[in-house]
Amino acid sequence: DQQVKQNSPSLSVQEGRISILNCDYTNSMFDYFLWYKKYPAEGPTFLISISSIKDKNEDGRFTVFLNKSAKHLSLHIVPSQPGDSAVYFCAASERYGGATNKLIFGTGTLLAVQP
Amino acid sequence: EAQVTQNPRYLITVTGKKLTVTCSQNMNHEYMSWYRQDPGLGLRQIYYSMNVEVTDKGDVPEGYKVSRKEKRNFPLILESPSPNQTSLYFCASRSGVRTDTQYFGPGTRLTVL
Repeated sequence: DQQVKQNSPSLSVQEGRISILNCDYTNSMFDYFLWYKKYPAEGPTFLISISSIKDKNEDGRFTVFLNKSAKHLSLHIVPSQPGDSAVYFCAASERYGGATNKLIFGTGTLLAVQP
Repeated sequence: EAQVTQNPRYLITVTGKKLTVTCSQNMNHEYMSWYRQDPGLGLRQIYYSMNVEVTDKGDVPEGYKVSRKEKRNFPLILESPSPNQTSLYFCASRSGVRTDTQYFGPGTRLTVL
């Protein structure tokens, strides 16, 4: 049973436009959410996170939005650049309530930013 | 430079031949994990360790063993590999249970024939 879902396996966007990557979760106990970025032949790297007490967190071109009632979060990249082309993983955890703070990852979305 | 290293990066082996994938981190992190990445399934945790001599099963531990004798090293052992263990494996570490940023190694591509 997939607790964190990324329903779009891939997304193609023009350079300079907005990229929106979506993620849904089922476990209402999740209280912390993260996005990781992965280039080919490299390990994932942390991008941005958000606590469940917030509904938005911004870091430069990257903004994560959290809608707790819908159990949905999204990552916005504005403006998109060719170097953003990568696989993006959404992850969730019971950071404050769980004993192990295990990260549960989604299946990933491959973003291709076309020049 | 802060990093997580894994060896080997690529390995082709045959069913039943024991192998070990090493993982080492130089950040003095307490918490380490192993994941496997498979198409359509994302990253799934195999085992984790919250400190030296403290290890526990993740979501897909069958067919794997780990050990944590030193803080920096967390090897993944496949005693009798099978083709369904063909996958991309990542080791990861973070400073503690409640910290956000998890550092991943570069990955080990394993093929079991």
